Amino acid sequence: KNQVEQSPQSLIILEGKNCTLQCNYTVSPFSNLRWYKQDTGRGPVSLTIMTFSENTKSNGRYTATLDADTKQSSLHITASQLSDSASYICVVSGGATNKLIFGTGTLLAVQP
Amino acid sequence: GAVVSQHPSRVICKSGTSVKIECRSLDFQATTMFWYRQFPKQSLMLMATSNEGSKATYEQGVEKDKFLINHASLTLSTLTVTSAHPEDSSFYICSARVSGLSSYNEQFFGPGTRLTVL
Repeated sequence: KNQVEQSPQSLIILEGKNCTLQCNYTVSPFSNLRWYKQDTGRGPVSLTIMTFSENTKSNGRYTATLDADTKQSSLHITASQLSDSASYICVVSGGATNKLIFGTGTLLAVQP
Repeated sequence: GAVVSQHPSRVICKSGTSVKIECRSLDFQATTMFWYRQFPKQSLMLMATSNEGSKATYEQGVEKDKFLINHASLTLSTLTVTSAHPEDSSFYICSARVSGLSSYNEQFFGPGTRLTVL
């Protein structure tokens, strides 16, 4: 079964600290993996997209890694800001129909 | 980057009425649009896929007669929730994709529409 699992489910960190979010997937065939940021009451905004040949991609303070062999990805946030408080969703494109398969997200709260 | 808008951003309606939600791609032509529903503290669930000029493809368990989708142009798709009931209250999000724009087949998401049925 094609699945995307994220951990932790929620996370609280202090402003200025770094954090790493995890994503494991069992989607096959694999097309690409995306990380989205979703603010409360808003639509998802793309942070990074990676194909199997890309093992790291950065977008400002966000750095995503991908290990296609172990089917794991991580999103590292550096020097967190209050505005980073949001849900971070790992999404894998693939499977027989090449649809987006969503993880349940990690809810990040950055506190002053 | 590509921008997708939705209108209205939030709507409150009485049970039994119909509600139309618009999804527009503002600076690109979308050959395919998707409609998602998101309940509190859950991830997005795909409801249907629509291609311009053809009938929408609905996911299993989604009633096509209740959630009418029209993709009449390359920049506009509409979702009509017919005879809305309180259990239809949810956050509806559309996305748009341009085939061939990139190797990623990226989808661009709208800001969402909060539907509350009283």
